Order: sequence, then C-alpha cells, then structure tokens
Amino acid sequence: DQQVKQNSPSLSVQEGRISILNCDYTNSMFDYFLWYKKYPAEGPTFLISISSIKDKNEDGRFTVFLNKSAKHLSLHIVPSQPGDSAVYFCAASETGANNLFFGTGTRLTVIP
Amino acid sequence: DAGVIQSPRHEVTEMGQEVTLRCKPISGHDYLFWYRQTMMRGLELLIYFNNNVPIDDSGMPEDRFSAKMPNASFSTLKIQPSEPRDSAVYFCASSLRPYNEQFFGPGTRLTVL
Repeated sequence: DQQVKQNSPSLSVQEGRISILNCDYTNSMFDYFLWYKKYPAEGPTFLISISSIKDKNEDGRFTVFLNKSAKHLSLHIVPSQPGDSAVYFCAASETGANNLFFGTGTRLTVIP
Repeated sequence: DAGVIQSPRHEVTEMGQEVTLRCKPISGHDYLFWYRQTMMRGLELLIYFNNNVPIDDSGMPEDRFSAKMPNASFSTLKIQPSEPRDSAVYFCASSLRPYNEQFFGPGTRLTVL
C-alpha cells in the first residue's frame, strides 16, 4: 500500500506563475520529507527537504510546506520556469528507519 | 566524483533470459539502494545494503530477483528468468546516511519481450 501519495499525475503552469505540487502521507511516524526532480533519461536529483520540526523550508524559488496534522506537504515553485518541467517525486522517511518511501510522481509542464 | 554509475543504460532481452544490472555507488557512501520505477507504483525500493550487507530485501518482488554487493564499489541486481512484467526503469542510489539525501544513477531501462 502506498504510504506516500501524489494524487495529481500531471500539472501544467504558465511561465512566471506559481506551481504547487501536493503530496499526502499516511504514516504518522514519518518525520523527514524530501522532494526530488527527475528529467527524462536521468535519475532523480534531490531538490529540497524538510524536517517535521519545521512547517516551512525555503530555497530560492522552491518552498516546501508541511502540515503535520493533515499529513500533507506541498512544493511551491515561484516563479515557474520552462526548465522546471520535470517529474517531481515526494519522499518520506522515519528517523531510525533506513529507507525512503516515494510517491508516484507529478509531471510538471511549464508553458513558455 | 562521477556520481552513481549504472550499466547498461538500456537492456532489451527475451522472456526467460537472465538479466544483470550493475551499479557503482559514490565512493564513501555506506548505503546502496535498488529501486524500480513503474507508472503505477512510482519508485519502489527493492533492496538496500549497508556496508555491503543486505539489510532489507522485502521489496524484492519474488525469488527471480537477487542482489549482491561483493564490495563497497560494486553491486548487481539479477533477474532470472526475466518476464515481460519486469520491464521498467531500475535505479541504483547511494547515500552517506540512510534516510537523508540519496544520489541516484541514471537508471537502466529494461525491456523484456
């Protein structure tokens, strides 16, 4: 059973606008969350992470928000650029565990 | 560092044949992970190693799949015999710590006819 879910398989956004990618999880023990970006024919690359002691982490145009009570996190990209077009994977882990649980990914297309 | 290296990048084989995928992790990384990417399940963890020792292989689909890590710089994932439903992209990743940032290789696209 998927413990990390990305319910939107795809998202299209105009260049310069905000992209919001969503992720839900079911395991309340998860306390560390990551976003990965994947271009075609390449492996996923780490983008940004957040610990459960925070509710927001920002890195340039990328901000991740965590709502622990709702078991929900989101990635905001502002402003969106065509180079951001990729598949974005949400991942979660539990301190003391040794692996990440990934969602199914959301394909973001930024239209010039 | 060259990053995580995987070979081959593409593999096309016929049902029933043995397939071996190879991975060289980033030097100094103690953890190595094998994933399979499918549309339905996203990135699925198959197995991971810590200091060359398999720790959790609960994600390995069935006995046809096996993985080894004979030393810190090399790992293999073997499928024998292969079936069409094994067609997917297989990724290897390595990390310094288990649940932090993992570095992925470019993947091996496997097609079983």
